[in-house]
Amino acid sequence: AQRVTQPEKLLSVFKGAPVELKCNYSYSGSPELFWYVQYSRQRLQLLLRHISRESIKGFTADLNKGETSFHLKKPFAQEEDSAMYYCALRKGAQKLVFGQGTRLTINP
Amino acid sequence: ETGVTQSPTHLIKTRGQQVTLRCSSQSGHNTVSWYQQALGQGPQFIFQYYREEENGRGNFPPRFSGLQFPNYSSELNVNALELDDSALYLCASSPDHGDYGYTFGSGTRLTVV
Repeated sequence: AQRVTQPEKLLSVFKGAPVELKCNYSYSGSPELFWYVQYSRQRLQLLLRHISRESIKGFTADLNKGETSFHLKKPFAQEEDSAMYYCALRKGAQKLVFGQGTRLTINP
Repeated sequence: ETGVTQSPTHLIKTRGQQVTLRCSSQSGHNTVSWYQQALGQGPQFIFQYYREEENGRGNFPPRFSGLQFPNYSSELNVNALELDDSALYLCASSPDHGDYGYTFGSGTRLTVV
């Protein structure tokens, strides 16, 4: 069965510190991995997807098939990064499977 | 603005009643998915429609049903409401099979009492 695990429900770091939000998945095959973000009072929006290998708002995520992980990283956190982050996977044209989410708080 | 709108924003229903939630996607978005998000949880897939036909379903009972219309609008219907159906219901659309990522609506908050 497909499963996405985000082990930290809450993560708090200081402004300027590095951030890493963990995501592990279980799936046999080659899934497509995503990170979605939800800022306060805003809708869920796509942050990045592993196949595009891009950096959005300074965030990057590398797919590690050996460790079945897709951790989200940013070298220097900013206060506007405070939000709810969801890792998700998908196979083909089908459903997105989401993790439970991590609430990231950046302290000034 | 993202172009996916949902109505109503909030709704209170009594156990046993039926409810219809609506979603309006961007023109050209042929794929629409519905998700249920319980408090403190990530969204859970209910079903997906492509060109007005259901092409994927999650672990939800048949009393959860849907429709997609040619004008890029869609509905989620829930019959015989239960207290556990209280959640945020999200609609997400994509121009194709989600290849460009899904655009989510703001959701409908359903409370069943």
